[in-house]
Amino acid sequence: DTAVSQTPKYLVTQMGNDKSIKCEQNLGHDTMYWYKQDSKKFLKIMFSYNNKELIINETVPNRFSPKSPDKAHLNLHINSLELGDSAVYFCASGTGFPLHFGNGTRLTVT
Amino acid sequence: SQQGEEDPQALSIQEGENATMNCSYKTSINNLQWYRQNSGRGLVHLILIRSNEREKHSGRLRVTLDTSKKSSSLLITASRAADTASYFCATDQTGANNLFFGTGTRLTVIP
Repeated sequence: DTAVSQTPKYLVTQMGNDKSIKCEQNLGHDTMYWYKQDSKKFLKIMFSYNNKELIINETVPNRFSPKSPDKAHLNLHINSLELGDSAVYFCASGTGFPLHFGNGTRLTVT
Repeated sequence: SQQGEEDPQALSIQEGENATMNCSYKTSINNLQWYRQNSGRGLVHLILIRSNEREKHSGRLRVTLDTSKKSSSLLITASRAADTASYFCATDQTGANNLFFGTGTRLTVIP
């Protein structure tokens, strides 16, 4: 019955690989987000989808591609992973504010 | 940068004491929110204060907002060990459909 769930919780992979992170929300929210939290705890928006439509696409490398098959899901696919991609990625949802966050996916690129 | 700044970066207090964290931001806002993040977990919303409000209370939390100084403070009274976490302010900025987070304050409450 988790409100915003993302999988996997931990992801360890090598440079150059392609990986995906999945997110699902059961709150009926209209908007879903991906945030990146770096080692200094800075949280920065990456993408935002409203009813499956991309509305925010911050300065993120093209290697990152979000996909929203329906309003309740927003997945993040990352191609050709680099060392600098290591971070914690958070999915969030909301209809307006406040936002509800998942517990994060810790991505480690070796 | 649209990101806010918080101070102090870290705060350590004894259980029962009050904790005050400050947040400064740079642009016009619709509202300001405070979130808590426990280690290894996602952010949890604590309180939202609208731009036309100056003070808001929720349980042991008291938030103030001064839009002329572009600053906010979060006061946690009678702190408990369970309050140990990182606290972030986030602004809903005019014209943006997004939250901009501050740099966070790491609070440690010593039992």
